[in-house]
Amino acid sequence: GESVGLHLPTLSVQEGDNSIINCAYSNSASDYFIWYKQESGKGPQFIIDIRSNMDKRQGQRVTVLLNKTVKHLSLQIAATQPGDSAVYFCAENVLRTDSWGKLQFGAGTQVVVTP
Amino acid sequence: DAGVTQSPTHLIKTRGQQVTLRCSPKSGHDTVSWYQQALGQGPQFIFQYYEEEERQRGNFPDRFSGHQFPNYSSELNVNALLLGDSALYLCASSLFSPSGANVLTFGAGSRLTVL
Repeated sequence: GESVGLHLPTLSVQEGDNSIINCAYSNSASDYFIWYKQESGKGPQFIIDIRSNMDKRQGQRVTVLLNKTVKHLSLQIAATQPGDSAVYFCAENVLRTDSWGKLQFGAGTQVVVTP
Repeated sequence: DAGVTQSPTHLIKTRGQQVTLRCSPKSGHDTVSWYQQALGQGPQFIFQYYEEEERQRGNFPDRFSGHQFPNYSSELNVNALLLGDSALYLCASSLFSPSGANVLTFGAGSRLTVL
């Protein structure tokens, strides 16, 4: 599958509100999914992951939902804070020997938190 | 605890030249992956090194080559630079996991500009 994103989608969220970032993944064989956060001038930072045998996983202030039927992944951030402003990427991987470690990243979503 | 360190942080080259980028993995990690991130896009997998061997490779030409040293550090070499090679080059390290579901720790990247 391809992830092409010349125009980065932007999500504007008011501080304190919940954010929902969506991702449509391309490979039906993918069985491992990860969300990364990338702040300006920094490398991507791991947020949370989920395997295909789960449909929901929760972390601190974050929840990832996986819908394999429609190949959709979402990241929910509770009580969004100014420090959550960043670009968010979903990544997918097929956990088999010939694809091990080969993450396929989506185009990313820019999250802007307003006061 | 130092994370992933990359050098140089920025560099400018001209077409046809060669470049070497360096990466020191996070302490305790034994696997290094390299990604190319064009402006406004998600990272694209270049290759991965484990036990000093290239284990996985993405859709990049042979002009892109790498090496992993006994201390797990790694280099990315790009020959015959093209304008389209201008990008942020990210190094990510991880601890080998037989399941393949290993969490990557990214460095801040080396910003390459080809003129």
